[in-house]
Amino acid sequence: IAGITQAPTSQILAAGRRMTLRCTQDMRHNAMYWYRQDLGLGLRLIHYSNTAGTTGKGEVPDGYSVSRANTDDFPLTLASAVPSQTSVYFCASSDSTGSGYGYTFGSGTRLTVV
Amino acid sequence: EDKVVQSPLSLVVHEGDTVTLNCSYEVTNFRSLLWYKQEKKAPTFLFMLTSSGIEKKSGRLSSILDKKELFSILNITATQTGDSAVYLCAVEANFGNEKLTFGTGTRLTIIP
Repeated sequence: IAGITQAPTSQILAAGRRMTLRCTQDMRHNAMYWYRQDLGLGLRLIHYSNTAGTTGKGEVPDGYSVSRANTDDFPLTLASAVPSQTSVYFCASSDSTGSGYGYTFGSGTRLTVV
Repeated sequence: EDKVVQSPLSLVVHEGDTVTLNCSYEVTNFRSLLWYKQEKKAPTFLFMLTSSGIEKKSGRLSSILDKKELFSILNITATQTGDSAVYLCAVEANFGNEKLTFGTGTRLTIIP
């Protein structure tokens, strides 16, 4: 693993199903983030975690939950998927001693809810 | 609420042309402005700007920040087809973490 790994790469999901998007980093970054990217709306923050054991809500948190049991992993769960959650999801991490300069993004998960 | 506006939304130019991409922002307790390039997948870092009037340069790309007028520009000279991408501008507020607020991006297409 080098950097951030997201899984799956893409997924088609039936509405109402539960889904967890996985994110793992090997850089020992303290802070991790989940963004969704939609056409015309850019990247919007869903949830974040400044350090293991803590999480916070971003701009569009409804319908999503996260956990941060350790430094490396930051899964994003959709409890009951809806079509409006169709999007590309990016996980990111940063070295909290710096600023956005230290941001690293994963390659994204393309999720389609039907 | 923090806000970032990029213009134009899309731009099509011929190879060799020079382009200027714009980013204006409103943010409480500004810390930095960042530019990213996004091709097919993950955004990749280009520049971080914290001080007004100091140009950052990397090859054919350069960027400058105006903290009084609250905007930044990204210039690309002698464009190449490999410059085709979405260019994202983001701002960071000084709240002790690095949450970024992104603009919607400018889609740049370079025609050979």
